[in-house]
Amino acid sequence: QQQVKQSPQSLIVQKGGISIINCAYENTAFDYFPWYQQFPGKGPALLIAIRPDVSEKKEGRFTISFNKSAKQFSLHIMDSQPGDSATYFCAASWGNFNKFYFGSGTKLNVKP
Amino acid sequence: DAGVIQSPRHEVTEMGQEVTLRCKPISGHNSLFWYRQTMMRGLELLIYFNNNVPIDDSGMPEDRFSAKMPNASFSTLKIQPSEPRDSAVYFCASRDARVLNYGYTFGSGTRLTVV
Repeated sequence: QQQVKQSPQSLIVQKGGISIINCAYENTAFDYFPWYQQFPGKGPALLIAIRPDVSEKKEGRFTISFNKSAKQFSLHIMDSQPGDSATYFCAASWGNFNKFYFGSGTKLNVKP
Repeated sequence: DAGVIQSPRHEVTEMGQEVTLRCKPISGHNSLFWYRQTMMRGLELLIYFNNNVPIDDSGMPEDRFSAKMPNASFSTLKIQPSEPRDSAVYFCASRDARVLNYGYTFGSGTRLTVV
């Protein structure tokens, strides 16, 4: 059973637009929600993360919105750039964060 | 810091052969993880170690897979015998489990092709 469900599978956005990727989870014990960015031929890299005691976290053009009651969280990329084209993974963990459950990934293509 | 170092970057082997993947975690990190990535199944956790001790190997698909961490700076993932369905990208990741709110650092992966 997939612990974290991610959508969409792929996304095409024009340069300057907003990219939105959504994730949903079932396990209410999860208490740490990171997003990873992966470029071709590279390993995933931590982008931004949130804990459930806040509803939003912003770092530059990247924002996580968190809805605890709906058990959903999303990544918003403002002013999307071609350099943002990559695969994005949401994840969730609990306790001492040793076991991350990853979403299936979203391939983002930002067109110039 | 050189990051998490994996070797080899690419491995092509024949079915039935033994394959050994290697990982050097970031110095000071005390947790190490092996993941497998495929198009069909995404990122799957195979096994992880804390302080060189295997904690959870429930993701290891079969007895053909084994992992060791003889010291804090080195780990191996071995597949014996290898099969075509083992073809995937294998990632090693590490973190400092003593630091809260801290994610993994992944290596660049080993692309394994079993023919």
